[in-house]
Amino acid sequence: AQSVAQPEDQVNVAEGNPLTVKCTYSVSGNPYLFWYVQYPNRGLQFLLKYITGDNLVKGSYGFEAEFNKSQTSFHLKKPSALVSDSALYFCAVRDPYSGNTPLVFGKGTRLSVIA
Amino acid sequence: DVKVTQSSRYLVKRTGEKVFLECVQDMDHENMFWYRQDPGLGLRLIYFSYDVKMKEKGDIPEGYSVSREKKERFSLILESASTNQTSMYLCASSPPTGGNQPQHFGDGTRLSIL
Repeated sequence: AQSVAQPEDQVNVAEGNPLTVKCTYSVSGNPYLFWYVQYPNRGLQFLLKYITGDNLVKGSYGFEAEFNKSQTSFHLKKPSALVSDSALYFCAVRDPYSGNTPLVFGKGTRLSVIA
Repeated sequence: DVKVTQSSRYLVKRTGEKVFLECVQDMDHENMFWYRQDPGLGLRLIYFSYDVKMKEKGDIPEGYSVSREKKERFSLILESASTNQTSMYLCASSPPTGGNQPQHFGDGTRLSIL
């Protein structure tokens, strides 16, 4: 069975500092991994994905994520946080060998960037 | 850009009513999904559909049904609404290209059952 964990419910960071939102996954093979962001009273917006290739993936709004197979992690990062990055972030996984199944989401991490 | 439109942003209904939540996508996607989102529980899959007139149960289908009569439209039905179905409901769609494509979400319907 595939699953994803976001170990932190809340992350606080000062504006201008680097930010990291953690995600670990469990699948039987090589995963497809995704990050989404949700602003208040909105749906989820796709940020980036890892399918294969380079372990460092770049996405929207200056975000990037690093796939680490040995640690089964896919942490979201940004070199310099903005107050406007404050939102709810979701990591999601899909096992490629399970066919076209729905994404499995983590419970989300609330990021607060403090001015 | 993919557009997933949910018919209502906010909805208030009474216990026992039959409630319809509508979702339309404009990208000819085969796959459509309904989730509910609750604080501390993340997104939980209710139902999904791979094609017209097809449906699959997700993790929490009890108390819900779905309808997919046309490819672009996926409806979620609360047969007899209860207060524990008060939640944010999110619809999503995706193409069937081997699973390496993201799901695209609507803005959600915040449903209150009184």
